[in-house]
Amino acid sequence: AQKITQTQPGMFVQEKEAVTLDCTYDTSDQSYGLFWYKQPSSGEMIFLIYQGSYDEQNATEGRYSLNFQKARKSANLVISASQLGDSAMYFCAMREGHVQGAQKLVFGQGTRLTINP
Amino acid sequence: DGGITQSPKYLFRKEGQNVTLSCEQNLNHDAMYWYRQDPGQGLRLIYYSQIVNDFQKGDIAEGYSVSREKKESFPLTVTSAQKNPTAFYLCASGTSGTQYFGPGTRLLVL
Repeated sequence: AQKITQTQPGMFVQEKEAVTLDCTYDTSDQSYGLFWYKQPSSGEMIFLIYQGSYDEQNATEGRYSLNFQKARKSANLVISASQLGDSAMYFCAMREGHVQGAQKLVFGQGTRLTINP
Repeated sequence: DGGITQSPKYLFRKEGQNVTLSCEQNLNHDAMYWYRQDPGQGLRLIYYSQIVNDFQKGDIAEGYSVSREKKESFPLTVTSAQKNPTAFYLCASGTSGTQYFGPGTRLLVL
């Protein structure tokens, strides 16, 4: 069964608009973590933002925020005031269980975001 | 500068040949990981290691081997048993759950 689902293969947004990238997850663990990574055309995976399952507030990092809806099992990434440099693949990932030792991450299929000038 | 380095950037493998991908980190992270990415897909875990001289298989370990003789280094060998090795390989290291990635190695079969 798919543990991480990203339903938008591609998105096109005008520069300076806000954009929401969808991510739903499936887990029976009470403790888990959710991550978003950006992959530009160069290939490197860049860590953007993290949300723990017990965090009461939505995570924010600069222009990135994570809209965490635990009951709906969704962890959408919101990018405010999009820029041309935001064009990339975006991956949602999940870690199950408590943070100890090496952590296995499960990744979604990704969403390709294109920012138009 | 602290970071994760992978070499080479591109690697060509002949039929029946073993090849080794290098991954080094100077972030003092205990955990290290190897992922494979096929075109248009997400990442899949090959192997991971929590400490020196210890490592575990991930979801797609068949045809691959690793070693962890030093904390800073986690090389991946793609053996001749891996029948479809063409992919982008990413190494990561981490602490407290978050993983940080290297620039990747693209492996192509001649």
